Amino acid sequence: EAGVTQSPTHLIKTRGQQATLRCSPISGHTSVYWYQQALGLGLQFLLWYDEGEERNRGNFPPRFSGRQFPNYSSELNVNALELEDSALYLCASSLRYRGGKNYEQYFGPGTRLTVT
Amino acid sequence: AQSVTQPDIHITVSEGASLELRCNYSYGATPYLFWYVQSPGQGLQLLLKYFSGDTLVQGIKGFEAEFKRSQSSFNLRKPSVHWSDAAEYFCAVGTSNAGKSTFGDGTTLTVKP
Repeated sequence: EAGVTQSPTHLIKTRGQQATLRCSPISGHTSVYWYQQALGLGLQFLLWYDEGEERNRGNFPPRFSGRQFPNYSSELNVNALELEDSALYLCASSLRYRGGKNYEQYFGPGTRLTVT
Repeated sequence: AQSVTQPDIHITVSEGASLELRCNYSYGATPYLFWYVQSPGQGLQLLLKYFSGDTLVQGIKGFEAEFKRSQSSFNLRKPSVHWSDAAEYFCAVGTSNAGKSTFGDGTTLTVKP
């Protein structure tokens, strides 16, 4: 069974540009999560999508946005890139969210975004 | 709001020695608890999880963890460490309604030959 896949592996952008990161969940998973892992800041929750809807959002500015497609894959967009956006962006997926129950998340290998 | 504390930033053990990584959590209700491992430049791999039931849970790669509600802890253990276990380990707590998991800052494990 294929795991969570992310593309591209590495992405280099200049300040002010936009970045688009992509994620394909494990087959059968409908929830997708995005995390930022910046040096010295640990893993920070960014966004959660389930069944095509944004369910929760972390403490990040609006220039971080995303969407989930009908096939449950997801895209993370970062506009007006800043130097501090340089980080490893991790996508995770899990089974469909059911109220009152939490499922474990399975992570992809990440996209390393470098902003110069 | 939930939080996770991993008191040890860095631990060094000899190959073959036992290992215990500490994790303390803060959450008002029954927590969903996880341990993940991350090798350099890689994503996170789930080692084990606790949702309910038996407080001693077994995971992959010979790891186990014990949930102690009275101490708000979920420590990870392994009886005999292998050189390939060198990595960064993250403890996480999930909630029943917010979807996200909150991660600790991680513990880096070094294994001496």
